[in-house]
Amino acid sequence: AQSVSQHNHHVILSEAASLELGCNYSYGGTVNLFWYVQYPGQHLQLLLKYFSGDPLVKGIKGFEAEFIKSKFSFNLRKPSVQWSDTAEYFCAARGFQKLVFGTGTRLLVSP
Amino acid sequence: DAGVIQSPRHEVTEMGQEVTLRCKPISGHNSLFWYRQTMMRGLELLIYFNNNVPIDDSGMPEDRFSAKMPNASFSTLKIQPSEPRDSAVYFCASSLTGNLGNQPQHFGDGTRLSIL
Repeated sequence: AQSVSQHNHHVILSEAASLELGCNYSYGGTVNLFWYVQYPGQHLQLLLKYFSGDPLVKGIKGFEAEFIKSKFSFNLRKPSVQWSDTAEYFCAARGFQKLVFGTGTRLLVSP
Repeated sequence: DAGVIQSPRHEVTEMGQEVTLRCKPISGHNSLFWYRQTMMRGLELLIYFNNNVPIDDSGMPEDRFSAKMPNASFSTLKIQPSEPRDSAVYFCASSLTGNLGNQPQHFGDGTRLSIL
């Protein structure tokens, strides 16, 4: 069955620190990958997506993610986080049919 | 332009009562999804529709939950009777149905449901 794992449930960083959130998926076929962000009290918003082509995907707000097929990974990165990046981040994968979400990583950025 | 619209934003009711959550997808989107978000279980897909037809309802927790999509611009999620453990934020999302599944989902603001 298709699944998505996010290993870090909570991450605490200081402003200007670099961020990397792990995401691994399990699906043998062609997969489309997404990162969504949920700011406190708000709905999920799309950060970036990967369908094909360049495995390094750039999204909004300085985020990027790298698809490594051999590792079934799609880690999210940002070189320098800001206080406003405090949010919950969800990795998601769609293989055959439905979109499957990871359990989320709660990021807290302290000023 | 209008995104996914959900109503109500907040609902507080006593256990045993019927609860109806509403969703208006983005115009032109032909896939609609209902999710439930809780601290314990994160984001769970309950059911999704393609062209108003339920495709996968395996995430619906019990027979107390039902969802309908009578037309392309409206869907409801009903809980009857409601229980305290149904308290959660319920999100509706819509997307185009891409053949390769590469269409992102657009989420509504959610309905925060509290069952007392």
